[in-house]
Amino acid sequence: QQQVKQSPQSLIVQKGGISIINCAYENTAFDYFPWYQQFPGKGPALLIAIRPDVSEKKEGRFTISFNKSAKQFSLHIMDSQPGDSATYFCAASPYDKVIFGPGTSLSVIP
Amino acid sequence: NAGVTQTPKFQVLKTGQSMTLQCAQDMNHNSMYWYRQDPGMGLRLIYYSASEGTTDKGEVPNGYNVSRLNKREFSLRLESAAPSQTSVYFCASGPQGGNSPLHFGNGTRLTVT
Repeated sequence: QQQVKQSPQSLIVQKGGISIINCAYENTAFDYFPWYQQFPGKGPALLIAIRPDVSEKKEGRFTISFNKSAKQFSLHIMDSQPGDSATYFCAASPYDKVIFGPGTSLSVIP
Repeated sequence: NAGVTQTPKFQVLKTGQSMTLQCAQDMNHNSMYWYRQDPGMGLRLIYYSASEGTTDKGEVPNGYNVSRLNKREFSLRLESAAPSQTSVYFCASGPQGGNSPLHFGNGTRLTVT
């Protein structure tokens, strides 16, 4: 049973475009929602995170939008670049555990 | 700063063999985690240790055991390896629980034949 659902599984975006990845969760005890970025052969690294008391958080070209009532959150990558090509994971935490979504493989083409 | 160090990087086992995956962190973090990564499945939590002296099961604990040896080290043991345990294993650590950024090692690629 996947507690954190993520879509799409893969995404191809042109350079300069907007990449959007969506996640949904079921457990209302989750109270921390990070996004991780993973390059081939490496471990995931934190990209940006949000807590449920805010609806949006922006860091540079990366924005998280959070909808608590719908139990959904999304990652927007503005002005996508080839260097953004990686696998992206959303995650959710009810304090001790961190549960990950299945991941989205993003390819940004020139 | 080494961060999170995992050993070995690669391992091939025969069905039924045992092995221990080692993980050490040098960031004085309280919490440590073991995940496995399989295509299309994302990262699935095997076991975690919220603080030194405690361990708890994650989403897929069957076939694994863990030891939190001290604050720095958290090992994962496969007592009798099965082909279904072929995967990439990641260790992670965090300052305090899951409500803070996790730092990951670079993984151990395990193949069970």
